[in-house]
Amino acid sequence: GAGVSQTPSNKVTEKGKYVELRCDPISGHTALYWYRQSLGQGPEFLIYFQGTGAADDSGLPNDRFFAVRPEGSVSTLKIQRTERGDSAVYLCASSRWAPGEKAGELFFGEGSRLTVL
Amino acid sequence: TQLLEQSPQFLSIQEGENLTVYCNSSSVFSSLQWYRQEPGEGPVLLVTVVTGGEVKKLKRLTFQFGDARKDSSLHITAAQPGDTGLYLCAGADSWGKLQFGAGTQVVVTP
Repeated sequence: GAGVSQTPSNKVTEKGKYVELRCDPISGHTALYWYRQSLGQGPEFLIYFQGTGAADDSGLPNDRFFAVRPEGSVSTLKIQRTERGDSAVYLCASSRWAPGEKAGELFFGEGSRLTVL
Repeated sequence: TQLLEQSPQFLSIQEGENLTVYCNSSSVFSSLQWYRQEPGEGPVLLVTVVTGGEVKKLKRLTFQFGDARKDSSLHITAAQPGDTGLYLCAGADSWGKLQFGAGTQVVVTP
């Protein structure tokens, strides 16, 4: 399909393990966002890319979290030494939104549900 | 802590009734967006408001952006079961960062 694709859709891991979550955005979208959503809550901002660079990573909770987008397309969110509190749905979104514009529609994937036991 | 406060957190109404959801913040936004999210899916954009005082209508949905661009409301007329979902407001700064409120869960029963 032509939408945002996230893999895996579900990931169960043990406390202390390393996890990678992948996001494949809509082709041609320069902006890419990662959010984390807990049950019954709104998406919590983690990091935002314009092209290859992280324009704003102020939402990453600590240095166990890291995200890359080396070629300005696919992005990977990496979580080291996972903790039970990291359990959530991790949402990725992409947009044509370019700096200087007022707003742009975000297109979301279905999310990756992470469960840390 | 959410930058945007949404109220109420939960709303349950009968089909045909009207409802209003509020989104408030102490911050000024470049633009504000409303999304609806259904279980197991990502949020889907309903509308973007940019100008203070702006009113936009989308069929039975009416969106208002406050004059100071700090708050917004969503009004649904004659709600239908298909309107059930989590309604999220999101504020954008001029650099493209979009932050969401906690959402209002709306349930419309037949």
